[in-house]
Amino acid sequence: DTGVSQDPRHKITKRGQNVTFRCDPISEHNRLYWYRQTLGQGPEFLTYFQNEAQLEKSRLLSDRFSAERPKGSFSTLEIQRTEQGDSAMYLCASSPRVTGHTDTQYFGPGTRLTVL
Amino acid sequence: RKEVEQDPGPFNVPEGATVAFNCTYSNSASQSFFWYRQDCRKEPKLLMSVYSSGNEDGRFTAQLNRASQYISLLIRDSKLSDSATYLCVVNGIPGGGNKLTFGTGTQLKVEL
Repeated sequence: DTGVSQDPRHKITKRGQNVTFRCDPISEHNRLYWYRQTLGQGPEFLTYFQNEAQLEKSRLLSDRFSAERPKGSFSTLEIQRTEQGDSAMYLCASSPRVTGHTDTQYFGPGTRLTVL
Repeated sequence: RKEVEQDPGPFNVPEGATVAFNCTYSNSASQSFFWYRQDCRKEPKLLMSVYSSGNEDGRFTAQLNRASQYISLLIRDSKLSDSATYLCVVNGIPGGGNKLTFGTGTQLKVEL
């Protein structure tokens, strides 16, 4: 257990419904990341926060996706009007603030989304 | 061309064997390199960072060749518990923020 928690662990929804996932990072970590992983692939970067500021978004993050980290602690990822192609594992990671580019990211257990 | 490329395997090896995984990356400006391990339906976990000088952690040895843009992982005396997917990861691409870029992973199955 890395200390990053995600809720729910599993979500089954019907196409067209909205879903929201929550991530609680390790408490002293100020950086938070969202990734998506589909079967047989490595995780793909979605977005990144430093404290409450969303600093980078992938082109994978369509306008149906929105992420927030309002108080610089937990984060939510919302998917509106879900599509079957959204079925994936959604992973959250956090890291402490360090100098330079190297910062070890610790992953939560993920939320597995199935869109029927 | 994918940013990080790995042979997906699977590599089926007997217990006690030595196995090596390779990975190539496309962006020569990449700054940090890692191997992560991922068990079936679990989250990725950091196995080790990879340095130009090479580094070893018990039965695991990682090497980085910047000139060839090539990363390797060697596992000696493999155990049944080493069965997992090994993800090659690159970070620190200038202009790429702090995102990790993953390969597709190499699946290892260690058998009796």
